[in-house]
Amino acid sequence: DAGITQSPRHKVTETGTPVTLRCHQTENHRYMYWYRQDPGHGLRLIHYSYGVKDTDKGEVSDGYSVSRSKTEDFLLTLESATSSQTSVYFCAISGTTDTQYFGPGTRLTVL
Amino acid sequence: AQSVTQLGSHVSVSEGALVLLRCNYSSSVPPYLFWYVQYPNQGLQLLLKYTSAATLVKGINGFEAEFKKSETSFHLTKPSAHMSDAAEYFCAVSPDNAGNMLTFGGGTRLMVKP
Repeated sequence: DAGITQSPRHKVTETGTPVTLRCHQTENHRYMYWYRQDPGHGLRLIHYSYGVKDTDKGEVSDGYSVSRSKTEDFLLTLESATSSQTSVYFCAISGTTDTQYFGPGTRLTVL
Repeated sequence: AQSVTQLGSHVSVSEGALVLLRCNYSSSVPPYLFWYVQYPNQGLQLLLKYTSAATLVKGINGFEAEFKKSETSFHLTKPSAHMSDAAEYFCAVSPDNAGNMLTFGGGTRLMVKP
């Protein structure tokens, strides 16, 4: 298995609070991604990174920000969580000629 | 722009029966196509990928998929379903063979009856 961990694995929070999810890799891969998974929608790309401090928006980036200060870590922040951001969040990584490998996911509930 | 449509959000088969999960895509560039599987409470795992080397692609666990350009399809099949195949399956398309910008379909949940 690719070395990807996500923390926390489960989180319950209240509307309006900030939340940060962490993705950590040990593969030294260049690309890192954050997706959200919702029933009927498959996975949708939130943000991705193609290097340290290099990030770009995906399909559903509104309400989310990211940071990548080290190759191994990619953080996803919800500045002010809303109930519509209740979802399962997946991190993925890939090299320049490799397939995306996914982390185990974080289940976030916003009350 | 690229998109993926998976016909049937739920498919039920009997153990030993043929599995057919449908995927149609649209892409403005030659597509690279992927099938991923997700077992309960786990992340996604790559089953197979099409990168133009051969139209019939064999993957893990006995699955295969055939790329048909004329039908813009990449259906996933397995000759004989096993109980352990019960999972959710996602088709995805990318503009490059590294799968760096995946667009996913909505997923198909496969149920296998004994």
